[in-house]
Amino acid sequence: DAKTTQPPSMDCAEGRAANLPCNHSTISGNEYVYWYRQIHSQGPQYIIHGLKNNETNEMASLIITEDRKSSTLILPHATLRDTAVYYCIVIIADMRFGAGTRLTVKP
Amino acid sequence: EPEVTQTPSHQVTQMGQEVILRCVPISNHLYFYWYRQILGQKVEFLVSFYNNEISEKSEIFDDQFSVERPDGSNFTLKIRSTKLEDSAMYFCASSEALRQLNRAFFGQGTRLTVV
Repeated sequence: DAKTTQPPSMDCAEGRAANLPCNHSTISGNEYVYWYRQIHSQGPQYIIHGLKNNETNEMASLIITEDRKSSTLILPHATLRDTAVYYCIVIIADMRFGAGTRLTVKP
Repeated sequence: EPEVTQTPSHQVTQMGQEVILRCVPISNHLYFYWYRQILGQKVEFLVSFYNNEISEKSEIFDDQFSVERPDGSNFTLKIRSTKLEDSAMYFCASSEALRQLNRAFFGQGTRLTVV
C-alpha cells in the first residue's frame, strides 16, 4: 500500500474551514484515497473517498491534485464536534491506518 | 444508517484465559475485518475475512488469534490464551463489496482488559 504522510496535529477555529493535507507520493493508478476520522476512541468513521476527481458529500470535500500525489480534506465549517483524529488512507488491499492528524477545533 | 454492533463493550479477563469478541456486521456486507487499538496508539489491522475464509492477515494475527463466522450473522474474534499486551480496543468492520471500492463501517469497539 502507498504510504501516506499527514501532519500530527492541527488547530482550527470554530466556524472556519479546516483543511487537512495528506501526501501520498507513491500512490499507484488504481489506489483510492479514503478519509476516516476517530472521535475519542470510538470506531473510525468514514468521511469520503476518491480516485482522481474531486469529491464532495454532506460531511466534507476531497481535493486530489492532478498528479494524485497529495490530497486535502476540507471541512467547510468546522464545529467543536469535528475534533478528532483524521486518517488519510490509500487503499488497494486492506485498509491500514497511519498515525493521522489530530484536529482540534477551538471556540 | 446501518451499523455494526459489537459485544461486549468491555471485557475483563485473566491472563491465559480465552476470550471471544463478537460482532454483527451489516446484513448485506460481504467483507469483514478486525482491528485493534492499544491505548494511545494507532488503529492496527488484524485480519480480513471473505467468503468464509481469511483473505489477509497482519503479523499481529498469530496462532493465538482466530476468526469465525459461526452463523449467518455473527463474526467472532477468538484469542486463545490472552496476554497482558492484548489489552486494547478491538474494532470490527464490514464492507459491502470490493474493499478498495467501498467504505467500511466500524463498530464501537470492545475494550479488552487483560489482568
